[in-house]
Amino acid sequence: ETGVTQTPRHLVMGMTNKKSLKCEQHLGHNAMYWYKQSAKKPLELMFVYSLEERVENNSVPSRFSPECPNSSHLFLHLHTLQPEDSALYLCASSQFPNEVTEAFFGQGTRLTVV
Amino acid sequence: LAKTTQPISMDSYEGQEVNITCSHNNIATNDYITWYQQFPSQGPRFIIQGYKTKVTNEVASLFIPADRKSSTLSLPRVSLSDTAVYYCLVVEDTGRRALTFGSGTRLQVQP
Repeated sequence: ETGVTQTPRHLVMGMTNKKSLKCEQHLGHNAMYWYKQSAKKPLELMFVYSLEERVENNSVPSRFSPECPNSSHLFLHLHTLQPEDSALYLCASSQFPNEVTEAFFGQGTRLTVV
Repeated sequence: LAKTTQPISMDSYEGQEVNITCSHNNIATNDYITWYQQFPSQGPRFIIQGYKTKVTNEVASLFIPADRKSSTLSLPRVSLSDTAVYYCLVVEDTGRRALTFGSGTRLQVQP
């Protein structure tokens, strides 16, 4: 238990569906992140939020839309995805939005696009 | 951004000490060395962080020579549950960057 909870743990969706991934942290952290991990590839940083403001967007396609309504919650809205978007999506949080601060990761959402 | 190089994979047996070396030749003054562990289908977990010399916690030890161009993560008496991917990261103290992961070292512990 890391203090970062992601739901759902598994998701299968069609290419025309709209779904959302949810992340919640109970650590009082100020920064939250979305990462994508495809099979046999390193983690890829997608988005960074600091105090509910998006501070980094790593050239992610617009079919991925993040939302951070407050410092404890982070969403990733998905629409018209492609099969190559199938991956493990990981949420993380840290006290400060920098890499030296320990990051706490959730268990991830295993997404399959069919 | 200091680039790191670490072995792609390593094999060990239960009860052995495992040392994973990471090279980071262009490490900067403000950089720290951090190691994360990732089990299959889970998020990475922080293991240890250091700046120089030796750091030890309940999980591992981190050895950093004086020139800081490399570091070694030492796992004492590994068990099957230590089978995971281990990431070496060089992180900047003053920046606002998020963690960037490489390919890591896949450690397989055999019985």
